[in-house]
Amino acid sequence: GAGVSQSPSNKVTEKGKDVELRCDPISGHTALYWYRQSLGQGLEFLIYFQGNSAPDKSGLPSDRFSAERTGGSVSTLTIQRTQQEDSAVYLCASSLSPGFSYEQYFGPGTRLTVT
Amino acid sequence: KNQVEQSPQSLIILEGKNCTLQCNYTVSPFSNLRWYKQDTGRGPVSLTIMTFSENTKSNGRYTATLDADTKQSSLHITASQLSDSASYICVVTMFSGGYNKLIFGAGTRLAVHP
Repeated sequence: GAGVSQSPSNKVTEKGKDVELRCDPISGHTALYWYRQSLGQGLEFLIYFQGNSAPDKSGLPSDRFSAERTGGSVSTLTIQRTQQEDSAVYLCASSLSPGFSYEQYFGPGTRLTVT
Repeated sequence: KNQVEQSPQSLIILEGKNCTLQCNYTVSPFSNLRWYKQDTGRGPVSLTIMTFSENTKSNGRYTATLDADTKQSSLHITASQLSDSASYICVVTMFSGGYNKLIFGAGTRLAVHP
């Protein structure tokens, strides 16, 4: 079956512009996570969605970052007024349930470059 | 602070040789530990998962060990192949706030040369 998909695969933007990154989770997965992977760094948790519950936004680095999940499926991560330090690979993952035994399946990521 | 540290940062080995990657963690409360393989330009893919009570878990040529007392894990790769070239990420899970929160190591970049 289809895995987690993300678009675009690469995005180059000028400093100060807004960008939107999209994630399509695996059908039926209720939990969705966004992570950021900077060069040479481990993945950094950004935000978590579970069903209709309020998302856990504790990992968002600043108020320029926001995310939505419409209809419990597709999610969009928005970065406003991008800065060069926002350059990274943004990974989305989904899991069947938030329980600790459930595997998170990762998408291929979106590589964002802010010039 | 919840942290996962991996060593070495990078490693080069010849095809057919074995290698061992290390992971130390200070995550609490601990739920499980996973090793992921991440090929360049791809998302991480799970290799093994171990809970507190498991000491070793194998997946083909990959064998992971866990010492929950010393909070250390290792990933042993046997008879390496060129396709093993990737980043290997140690991930410790803590079940906190009602969901599965993952703490990632920075990874070990492995290069297998012919």
